[in-house]
Amino acid sequence: DIQMTQSPSSLSASVGDRVTITCRASPGIVTHLNWYQQKPGKAPKLLIYAASSLQSGVPSRFSGSGSGTDFTLTISSLQPEDLATYYCQQSHSSPWTFGQGTKVGIK
Amino acid sequence: EVQLVESGGGLVQPGRSLRLSCAASAFTFDDYAMHWVRQAPGKGLEWVSGISWNSGTIGYADSVKGRFTISRDNAKNSLYLQMNSLRAEDTALYYCVKGRDMQLREGTFVIWGQGTMVTVSS
Repeated sequence: DIQMTQSPSSLSASVGDRVTITCRASPGIVTHLNWYQQKPGKAPKLLIYAASSLQSGVPSRFSGSGSGTDFTLTISSLQPEDLATYYCQQSHSSPWTFGQGTKVGIK
Repeated sequence: EVQLVESGGGLVQPGRSLRLSCAASAFTFDDYAMHWVRQAPGKGLEWVSGISWNSGTIGYADSVKGRFTISRDNAKNSLYLQMNSLRAEDTALYYCVKGRDMQLREGTFVIWGQGTMVTVSS
């Protein structure tokens, strides 16, 4: 199975800050990497697919990059409504696997 | 608006069975692969099973293989998960999820239901 490792496991930032979450895949997965946002008590929501494509309706402050083994989710200007846990997930091969999640808090 | 509504969860004793259902609406159900993804209380996400548009390709996580069976009825716009020989570690919120295309070759989870809770305990 492909292993997905996210860092950090949690972070706290101020409104307006630039936030970066990293995800590492082992072995490499080309650009078959998705990012999801899960707000407290809610179902996950697809933010980014194929490493850098923004899902319809997702604010442009979210962006993704990377290929192979190393990927990044960036929130360019953190907003209060971005309080959530973020998961990376590989869509390269079954079984589809997720990172352990990064909990983003607001200072 | 695309909607996925799960049902069938509940409290069940270890070793017993449960069948989950998912009713889909507002999209062409038989144009997409479908999946079940679960989340244990306070934990992360785990893909459980997936099925292609015509049930021709099916996949399972090793943790449920041989115990769970996924199926779909395209005429009823419905997805199912038959769960047998349930264990305490199967306790989780089970989400019904719409895939990105017809086949099971690519696992992107586009739309999620709100989930149905399964608790396995004596």
